[in-house]
Amino acid sequence: DVKVTQSSRYLVKRTGEKVFLECVQDMDHENMFWYRQDPGLGLRLIYFSYDVKMKEKGDIPEGYSVSREKKERFSLILESASTNQTSMYLCASSLSQGLRETQYFGPGTRLLVL
Amino acid sequence: GQNIDQPTEMTATEGAIVQINCTYQTSGFNGLFWYQQHAGEAPTFLSYNVLDGLEEKGRFSSFLSRSKGYSYLLLKELQMKDSASYLCAVMDSNYQLIWGAGTKLIIKP
Repeated sequence: DVKVTQSSRYLVKRTGEKVFLECVQDMDHENMFWYRQDPGLGLRLIYFSYDVKMKEKGDIPEGYSVSREKKERFSLILESASTNQTSMYLCASSLSQGLRETQYFGPGTRLLVL
Repeated sequence: GQNIDQPTEMTATEGAIVQINCTYQTSGFNGLFWYQQHAGEAPTFLSYNVLDGLEEKGRFSSFLSRSKGYSYLLLKELQMKDSASYLCAVMDSNYQLIWGAGTKLIIKP
């Protein structure tokens, strides 16, 4: 079974803090993704990565950065947290890019920025 | 623009059948996914369609019509554990997933 883990289930941070969200997958997947999920909206892609040290912007990268130093680990960084970044953050991975490539999700991190 | 539409919420009775619709307009099409997401949990993969027609997998079936930009997820013999959100996602020409907002399915005894 594919396993994707995220470092925290719940986080509470203050405005202006730097926030690190970590994601680890154990299936040697090439691709990793960070999404945010808000009520009434579909999952929105923040950043994704096709390989170590590679990153691509998604639909809403502003205010976020990412790091992929090892194949199994993909980190999302909020440089200076703001209240509008309060959300559920979901990490996903897939074997490669292409047809039928299923994305497997971690349990999510619910972030509250005060 | 790219758009995925699905109903916000549906209610059904235990043991019954329910059909959750999804319509889409995307730049390119490389398949349509359905995921199930229980409250507070990760989305989990249910089905993938890239050709027109019906794919059956146990109590769940998924249908696709590419010419109509339409898919549905059919759930039979509903169980209380099927109470969840069902997410429709289309893989576009860049192999990225475009997600609908999800349909919250409430099962009543």
